[in-house]
Amino acid sequence: KDQVFQPSTVASSEGAVVEIFCNHSVSNAYNFFWYLHFPGCAPRLLVKGSKPSQQGRYNMTYERFSSSLLILQVREADAAVYYCACSGNTPLVFGKGTRLSVIA
Amino acid sequence: DSGVTQTPKHLITATGQRVTLRCSPRSGDLSVYWYQQSLDQGLQFLIHYYNGEERAKGNILERFSAQQFPDLHSELNLSSLELGDSALYFCASSVVGQGSTDTQYFGPGTRLTVL
Repeated sequence: KDQVFQPSTVASSEGAVVEIFCNHSVSNAYNFFWYLHFPGCAPRLLVKGSKPSQQGRYNMTYERFSSSLLILQVREADAAVYYCACSGNTPLVFGKGTRLSVIA
Repeated sequence: DSGVTQTPKHLITATGQRVTLRCSPRSGDLSVYWYQQSLDQGLQFLIHYYNGEERAKGNILERFSAQQFPDLHSELNLSSLELGDSALYFCASSVVGQGSTDTQYFGPGTRLTVL
């Protein structure tokens, strides 16, 4: 069954680097997508790809069946839900989301 | 702003009623997806349309239906509403609808409250 797995919660201190891990069992999936979701707002794409990449404070690591999102210099405003998704021959399969809490 | 629009923003209705949620995709996007997000739950995929045709169904109840019109906007119809249908409903669009690099862009969502 095509599934994406990620932890339900992660906590970090302000100023630290936090890592959110994701792995999948999606057939023929080569690309990962990381979305940021603040409550009441539209989920927003942060970074995607089939190789390690960086967009500002967001780094994405890449392995064939797993990826991590690293958020550098975590801020209180980063507290949100982060979704990992990947696709192969079908549209994106999303994980259940990881809620990041930031400790001041 | 993703370019995906959804109306209405908020909807309050009673149990047993029927509502219609509307979504306009980004210009040029042929695929529309509907997701449900209930309290403290992740994004639950409901249904995918591509260029007017249903492509995939997720955990969509029989009381729910959707369609995509020739101008590519989509409507999600929810009937015989129950308290548990209260949720945030997101629409997303993408260019094609398959392929490993096809990104989905989300609208701001419609918050449905069933009393």
